Amino acid sequence: GAVVSQHPSWVICKSGTSVKIECRSLDFQATTMFWYRQFPKQSLMLMATSNEGSKATYEQGVEKDKFLINHASLTLSTLTVTSAHPEDSSFYICSAKSGTATMLYGYTFGSGTRLTVV
Amino acid sequence: GENVEQHPSTLSVQEGDSAVIKCTYSDSASNYFPWYKQELGKGPQLIIDIRSNVGEKKDQRIAVTLNKTAKHFSLHITETQPEDSAVYFCAASIGSSASKIIFGSGTRLSIRP
Repeated sequence: GAVVSQHPSWVICKSGTSVKIECRSLDFQATTMFWYRQFPKQSLMLMATSNEGSKATYEQGVEKDKFLINHASLTLSTLTVTSAHPEDSSFYICSAKSGTATMLYGYTFGSGTRLTVV
Repeated sequence: GENVEQHPSTLSVQEGDSAVIKCTYSDSASNYFPWYKQELGKGPQLIIDIRSNVGEKKDQRIAVTLNKTAKHFSLHITETQPEDSAVYFCAASIGSSASKIIFGSGTRLSIRP
């Protein structure tokens, strides 16, 4: 089955620094990947849709200059949280869409990254 | 905008009994409905999904039903076991091309021994 690897699983950074999170599809090519954010005891909120070779599409209210997304290859998308602040502390989860041009197989999720900004 | 509503937010059942979680969606073009199980500190894991051309799907103790007319879909877990305790999320695709999925608010399921 489709496997998505996400790294790191947890990271602590100082306020004002930047943090990069990687999301890889291990056994399939993903033209579309997604980044979600999840606060404790809440649901997953879609932040942005990442398409290989093009600019990401951000959901309303998500600062594109703060959450930089790069999808340079069919198997790798990265999320960089720039100038992180304590309020950016959260659980970030990536997802990859698998399928063909005419058939959706599904959406597979990574294991998540716990970001703590101190 | 599009949304998915999920009920109940918490559910406690006796081991061996059944659990039912219900969701409604707003986008009439939605055609893919996955259910995910999330354990503490982990990413969501797909447990079952259903597409709009099917009304019911079953996989061992887990089943999902879909009513397109009413825009309802439900998860049924029979013969519940302690390892079923987790948070369950329903989701629905957006648009006829299933360009993305959005999640319900989640149900915390607890199985009483």
